[in-house]
Amino acid sequence: DIQMTQSPSSLSASVGDRVTITCRASQGIGKALGWYQQKPGKAPKRLIYAASSLQSGVPSRFSGSGSGTEFTLTISSLQPEDFAIYYCLQHNSYPLTFGGGTKVEIK
Amino acid sequence: EVQLVESGGELVQPGGSLRLSCAASGFTFSDHYMDWVRQAPGKGLEWVGRTRNKANSYSTEYAASVKGRFTISIDDSKNSLYLQMNSLKTEDTAVYYCVRVDRSGSYSFDCWGQGTLVTVSS
Repeated sequence: DIQMTQSPSSLSASVGDRVTITCRASQGIGKALGWYQQKPGKAPKRLIYAASSLQSGVPSRFSGSGSGTEFTLTISSLQPEDFAIYYCLQHNSYPLTFGGGTKVEIK
Repeated sequence: EVQLVESGGELVQPGGSLRLSCAASGFTFSDHYMDWVRQAPGKGLEWVGRTRNKANSYSTEYAASVKGRFTISIDDSKNSLYLQMNSLKTEDTAVYYCVRVDRSGSYSFDCWGQGTLVTVSS
């Protein structure tokens, strides 16, 4: 199974800050990675697919990069509505695996 | 508008069975792979399993933690996805999400249902 190691597990940041979240895959997955945002009591929502493609309707302050084993999600200027938990998901091979999540909290 | 609506979650005793349903609308259901993902209370996301599309004979894949106990099936006449869960354990307690797989080429999850809560407890 491919392990997805996501870091940090939590972070505190202020509105306007630049935030970076990382996922490392235990073996190469090409660009078969997505990033998801989950708010309390809600289903996750896709932000990024194919490692770096922005989901339609998602603000351009979100961006993704990487390939192979190292991936990043960047929020260029954190907004109040961005406080949430973020997950990466690899879908290169079965079983599909998620990172452990990053909780983004208000400083 | 694409919609996925899960139902069937409830309290069940360990060792019991339950069938979850997911009603899909707003897209050609038989064209898409469909997955189940679960989330235990206060925990992260866990992939449960997949059914491929009609062109791939609705073949299935499962996580090791549920293989042999859970079965995914489709009724494309009803645009519905099912998750039959047998021999339930307390660790199966979770919100279960029905998820559509993007067929544009990325094969990631592009649409999620609202989830249905399964509680396994005596």
